[in-house]
Amino acid sequence: QSALTQPASVSGSPGQSITISCTGTSSDVGGYNYVSWYQQHPGKAPKLMIYDVSNRPSGVSNRFSGSKSGNTASLTISGLQAEDEADYYCSSYTSSSTLERVFGGGTKLTVL
Amino acid sequence: EVQLVESGGGLVQPGRSLRLSCAASGFTFDDYAMHWVRQAPGKGLEWVSGISWNSGSIGYADSVKGRFTISRDNAKNSLYLQMNSLRAEDTALYYCAKDDDFDYWGQGTLVTVSS
Repeated sequence: QSALTQPASVSGSPGQSITISCTGTSSDVGGYNYVSWYQQHPGKAPKLMIYDVSNRPSGVSNRFSGSKSGNTASLTISGLQAEDEADYYCSSYTSSSTLERVFGGGTKLTVL
Repeated sequence: EVQLVESGGGLVQPGRSLRLSCAASGFTFDDYAMHWVRQAPGKGLEWVSGISWNSGSIGYADSVKGRFTISRDNAKNSLYLQMNSLRAEDTALYYCAKDDDFDYWGQGTLVTVSS
């Protein structure tokens, strides 16, 4: 149950695009199309932003998009806005069981 | 409106037990798997345990296996986490989350393990 690998921090200016990577193994990210991304503002509960690699829940801005290649998933935020500044976490199914999940260590996004 | 409200957290000594509850509303509870996720102070998210809609399938993180027990009561729309043999490293905000994508989260209940 090793955590997925995310960069500790990324930054960008308003209007720019950024991408956050999430690297796992063939037993998690690479083995399933079940990667999710969560946004967490300080003192708040996480919020689902992307599920099943690239699907957006209702109400989530289309500035958020997800993709996957091999054992690495990515979250891209385009047209950065100040309110996007938050921590972002990826999560994946694992091969251990249908219920087991693994999270990434989290990425702090700073909007300059 | 989906609501998940956790309760039962508090300050507990190492080695003691605590039982967390999560009251669900706004959706058909017994249609969905449910999970517990925790976050130590200043740290990232850690999946703790999950349970299928009918309790037929259950999973635990290695860090809590043998000490924590997840359960649910579909008649009461409630999820539980029995935590035994608590350790300092179990100190965290414990969230319950709906469905396999964690599409809704509660606000969490804080568990502090300290003497």
